[in-house]
Amino acid sequence: DAKTTQPNSMESNEEEPVHLPCNHSTISGTDYIHWYRQLPSQGPEYVIHGLTSNVNNRMASLAIAEDRKSSTLILHRATLRDAAVYYCILRDRDSGGGADGLTFGKGTHLIIQP
Amino acid sequence: NAGVTQTPKFRVLKTGQSMTLLCAQDMNHEYMYWYRQDPGMGLRLIHYSVGEGTTAKGEVPDGYNVSRLKKQNFLLGLESAAPSQTSVYFCASNILAGNYEQYFGPGTRLTVT
Repeated sequence: DAKTTQPNSMESNEEEPVHLPCNHSTISGTDYIHWYRQLPSQGPEYVIHGLTSNVNNRMASLAIAEDRKSSTLILHRATLRDAAVYYCILRDRDSGGGADGLTFGKGTHLIIQP
Repeated sequence: NAGVTQTPKFRVLKTGQSMTLLCAQDMNHEYMYWYRQDPGMGLRLIHYSVGEGTTAKGEVPDGYNVSRLKKQNFLLGLESAAPSQTSVYFCASNILAGNYEQYFGPGTRLTVT
């Protein structure tokens, strides 16, 4: 799987939008961009994923650059509960049927100030 | 619907002891995975299974064995525990192949002294 680069940590204020960047300059045409987050002392949880177009769901939005070499996870109004480590992961659409698991980096530690 | 559950939540072993971690999912998922997470690191894949009766090695399989005798259960075994296996272990499942979200369990914190 292609490599992703994320900042080690970011800080934001409660009730403000948060933009979490991810660089993936070696992304291939069949790589989906997935985001997971891990709250303290919990297992990771799925946030969102996309291929080319921007995506929205109840948790967040995913903005994908036109050249797909970078993406941004947007939390529209951060709460204290959003404090977590956020992982940007590339997953090949044709990767053995998804049987090879997810490749986690160190992610971005998001700190939310009240 | 409990999702993915793991047993036990915590365990302390002495070097050389053996144990089995149990993962269960009630979502009828085909794919199941075992990961380990060391402090300050992301998760690394140990073993996975694409269906009942099948298993395969992941990135860090040495020192572990797995079995998938029933579709809903995935067992991770440590035959002779070593301090290097001190970690938090997460189980996950996936409904099908392709880009579907993985569901993770709450983790098992294992300490080997």
